[in-house]
Amino acid sequence: QVQLQESGPGLVKPSETLSLTCTVSGGSLNSYYWSWIRQPPGKGLEWLGYIYSSGSTDYNPSLKSRVTISIDTSKNQFSLRLTSVSAADTATYYCARDRFGEGYWGQGTLVTVSS
Amino acid sequence: QSVLTQPPSASGTPGQRVTISCSGSNSNIGINPVNWYQQLPGTAPKFLINSKNQGPSGVPDRLSGSKSGTSASLAISGLQPEDEADYYCAAWDGGLNSYVFGTGTKVTVL
Repeated sequence: QVQLQESGPGLVKPSETLSLTCTVSGGSLNSYYWSWIRQPPGKGLEWLGYIYSSGSTDYNPSLKSRVTISIDTSKNQFSLRLTSVSAADTATYYCARDRFGEGYWGQGTLVTVSS
Repeated sequence: QSVLTQPPSASGTPGQRVTISCSGSNSNIGINPVNWYQQLPGTAPKFLINSKNQGPSGVPDRLSGSKSGTSASLAISGLQPEDEADYYCAAWDGGLNSYVFGTGTKVTVL
């Protein structure tokens, strides 16, 4: 059974960089797309972007200048980096398999942006 | 503000049929398949079914997805207490060049 687990700081200061890692167990990253989706408290879902196992990416244009997704197949991990964060970036961040989360999801990790 | 609009809530008694609508435009639902996700209270969302009625194994066949023009629907037949959740539609929007989620519908089993 494939499992995904997000990890990273739960608190980030405004203007700093949010960095999260998703560790995949029970399966390989190869030949799949891997995505990040977030959900502000009490609100709906927002797609952030995806990466293919080869490293090709696509991002939400509204965040494109601030978001980077990378992958390390040797560690079975992929990562999210979001720069210049503000309170509007406070959300539960989910990693998922497939371009738009049609596969497995992690349990999510809450990241709060506050000084 | 999402480009895909859903009713905020829907409800029904056990055994009833509930339909959730998702209204979009020619740049999203009009030309692309629609995915539906279920988010049970306090848990991560999961993909349920798409507008071609395709879904992962384990999704009960009392759930069905469809679309017509710029609108899509998720129908839940034989409503059960475990169906109480938030449901989101989503599709690729060619105008925005982004994947967009609907506003979400909370389904309550009375």
